[in-house]
Amino acid sequence: DAGITQSPRYKITETGRQVTLMCHQTWSHSYMFWYRQDLGHGLRLIYYSAAADITDKGEVPDGYVVSRSKTENFPLTLESATRSQTSVYFCATGQGREKLFFGSGTQLSVL
Amino acid sequence: GENVEQHPSTLSVQEGDSAVIKCTYSDSASNYFPWYKQELGKRPQLIIDIRSNVGEKKDQRIAVTLNKTAKHFSLHITETQPEDSAVYFCAVVSGYALNFGKGTSLLVTP
Repeated sequence: DAGITQSPRYKITETGRQVTLMCHQTWSHSYMFWYRQDLGHGLRLIYYSAAADITDKGEVPDGYVVSRSKTENFPLTLESATRSQTSVYFCATGQGREKLFFGSGTQLSVL
Repeated sequence: GENVEQHPSTLSVQEGDSAVIKCTYSDSASNYFPWYKQELGKRPQLIIDIRSNVGEKKDQRIAVTLNKTAKHFSLHITETQPEDSAVYFCAVVSGYALNFGKGTSLLVTP
């Protein structure tokens, strides 16, 4: 859906570098989420936000930082990238925690 | 978070046959059960959902059934077509977010 966009679509970085993945939604939905998708693990929640300036940890938050200064943006930062963070990252949004709309994903490779 | 077990992990069916994917959960207070479909290289998309006050919901060739007593819910796809080939995820609300099963890779062969 055009209402939620992620950038970049692909990213290659090196271990130890800081990387920021962007997520933007135009619906003014309250909730935004970051999931990572790995083979054999499905979709695992990294962080979520219930509103601007409100964020909380999910299942796998270590090594990640988020912020939500504006309702429409929810960037995810890898402070010091590790190989284990190679994954596909999906941002999602919804009026609540149900009926989520996902972005197109960011495929991140950490070398 | 809420534990969600999804089976099978892979499923292969002939075109026209039915496919059934099952998920079990642990929290008896759970009351919302969605299914997402993810085609290769694409984003997950909601295809059907059900709430705990309903036992079954249908939308054309897909249906979801819920057994709250046994704490499991299932996705049923009838008259499967090659375009149904995808990974399917069930989910359960855990706290303030959806907790997903590990997915079922469905292959529909002509």
